[in-house]
Amino acid sequence: DVVMTQTPVSLSVSLGGQVSISCRSSQSLVHNNGNTYLSWYLQKPGQSPQLLIYKVSNRFSGISDRFSGSGSGTDFTLKISRVEPDDLGVYYCGQGTQYPRTFGGGTKLELK
Amino acid sequence: QVKLLQSGAALVKPGASVKMSCKASGYTFTDYWVSWVKQSHGKSLEWIGEIYPNSGATNFNEKFKGKATLTVDKSTSTAYMELSRLTSEDSAIYYCSGRWFAYWGQGTLVTVSS
Repeated sequence: DVVMTQTPVSLSVSLGGQVSISCRSSQSLVHNNGNTYLSWYLQKPGQSPQLLIYKVSNRFSGISDRFSGSGSGTDFTLKISRVEPDDLGVYYCGQGTQYPRTFGGGTKLELK
Repeated sequence: QVKLLQSGAALVKPGASVKMSCKASGYTFTDYWVSWVKQSHGKSLEWIGEIYPNSGATNFNEKFKGKATLTVDKSTSTAYMELSRLTSEDSAIYYCSGRWFAYWGQGTLVTVSS
């Protein structure tokens, strides 16, 4: 199975600040078709996960441009700029390149 | 808009089975795989498996083979997951998700207790 490792486990940020979350996979996430199926999700307290970014850097419908994804191969990053209160929660990366689909352990974003 | 509406919470006895549902609306149900994901209390997300509504084809995480059964009813755009031989380790929130994890249900809480 592809192991997804996220760092840090938790992050404190001031409103208006910027943060980065790292996600590393144990194998390359480049699919045979050339696409890289790495996604980012946010799970707010008491809610279901919601898709933020798909295929490394594509923002899902309605997602603010304050969220940006980058990376390739096995190393990926989610950046959040001008952090707002509604951004707080747990962020997960997930891969859809190989079976079984796997997710990172999560990064909890809290207010400083 | 797209919605995935899951069945309500269940309290079940050890050794029993539970079947939960996920009703889709707002998109063509038969065109996209539906995945099921487990989230134990305070923990990360674990992919159980997926089903393609048009054909009934499935893919499973080896860990959940024999534990989870996935089915669909195309006439009502509803996906089902049945979990068998329940133990305390199966107590969790279970989510359905469609369109390559773009949309998620609200989750079904399963509590296994005597």
